[in-house]
Amino acid sequence: DAMVIQNPRYQVTQFGKPVTLSCSQTLNHNVMYWYQQKSSQAPKLLFHYYDKDFNNEADTPDNFQSRRPNTSFCFLDIRSPGLGDAAMYLCATSRGTSGRYSYEQYFGPGTRLTVT
Amino acid sequence: GEDVEQSLFLSVREGDSSVINCTYTDSSSTYLYWYKQEPGAGLQLLTYIFSNMDMKQDQRLTVLLNKKDKHLSLRIADTQTGDSAIYFCAETDSNYQLIWGAGTKLIIKP
Repeated sequence: DAMVIQNPRYQVTQFGKPVTLSCSQTLNHNVMYWYQQKSSQAPKLLFHYYDKDFNNEADTPDNFQSRRPNTSFCFLDIRSPGLGDAAMYLCATSRGTSGRYSYEQYFGPGTRLTVT
Repeated sequence: GEDVEQSLFLSVREGDSSVINCTYTDSSSTYLYWYKQEPGAGLQLLTYIFSNMDMKQDQRLTVLLNKKDKHLSLRIADTQTGDSAIYFCAETDSNYQLIWGAGTKLIIKP
């Protein structure tokens, strides 16, 4: 089945120690998103790629960066995690055509990040 | 700016109907969505409605859209224990990015 895969499902890192979360997809979608979701809150869009074009949300901290080496994979790098970065990180994909976005996003199961 | 509001909790008895309500502000939204999130899991698109529709039905789910009042509701008929989850209402902005509500936790009583 076509899907969005996130690894690992649970990640523990130390305060200030860089961590990378990964997302892969078999849907061949050209748009990939990273969301941060804290407990009992709505997901918050961090950034997204439309093909190779990176789009950063204005309020995304500089501590968060992303890489997309190819269509299938996207990485979220947190350079110096703080306690406030503990959250669920959700990857999603959608299909974009001619600069426009599809109405539907497909989500992965998420990676729960704990910062000790 | 755009804003989506929904109640944080809803408690219903198993077998009853659940109605989860949502209000939004962006009248230009083309699509409105309901996503379901089970504990510790990602988000699952439950259903969506196009803005030129008033109602959409899909098995036990009924979505009602009142554009005049900018009100969206999700009715789940014959609520079952497997329906326990957080339900997020979302609208799209002009770039089709999702604007989310805070989520309504549906609690099922036996």
